[in-house]
Amino acid sequence: AQSVTQLDSQVPVFEEAPVELRCNYSSSVSVYLFWYVQYPNQGLQLLLKYLSGSTLVKGINGFEAEFNKSQTSFHLRKPSVHISDTAEYFCAVSPNSGGSNYKLTFGKGTLLTVNP
Amino acid sequence: DTGVSQDPRHKITKRGQNVTFRCDPISEHNRLYWYRQTLGQGPEFLTYFQNEAQLEKSRLLSDRFSAERPKGSFSTLEIQRTEQGDSAMYLCASSRGLPEAFFGQGTRLTVV
Repeated sequence: AQSVTQLDSQVPVFEEAPVELRCNYSSSVSVYLFWYVQYPNQGLQLLLKYLSGSTLVKGINGFEAEFNKSQTSFHLRKPSVHISDTAEYFCAVSPNSGGSNYKLTFGKGTLLTVNP
Repeated sequence: DTGVSQDPRHKITKRGQNVTFRCDPISEHNRLYWYRQTLGQGPEFLTYFQNEAQLEKSRLLSDRFSAERPKGSFSTLEIQRTEQGDSAMYLCASSRGLPEAFFGQGTRLTVV
């Protein structure tokens, strides 16, 4: 079984400031890692994913994340945020155990609010 | 890709009524997932289809819930005898055998 902990439920920042959204996970098997963004009353949009290879992954809208296996973390970063980045961000994992079911286990989300 | 489509977007129903939601996955995506998201929480896995076969159901999926994917294309999720605790956003996602899944806009159910 997997679990995901997003350490901050809310993160307020000013426009053009850097931001880091923290994510830790627990799993008895290897996992794939994801960050999704959700705007109000919308579905989830994939920001970025770690499947294998380089531990620094880049996604859409200038976001990047680094996989740290020893610390079981996958923190999301952006060097300069915009008002339009205001949204709920979800970290998620799926098992990499050779099966076909890549069901996602999500954290509770972090609400990023970018203020002018 | 036209994206994952869900219908309806919103549904208000009285307690005790049955409701059915539809999900049309991205064309040629053989894997389809249903998730439920309650207010202030992340989505939780409900069930998984590979083609028309339902291969896994969560313990969250009580006997009042049933999901089908009759021809391996669209899927339906039915809730019988709805309860107020069923109020949530129901999300559908599809994938083409790869780990990343693409989500629809969701169906928001309100049980009054």
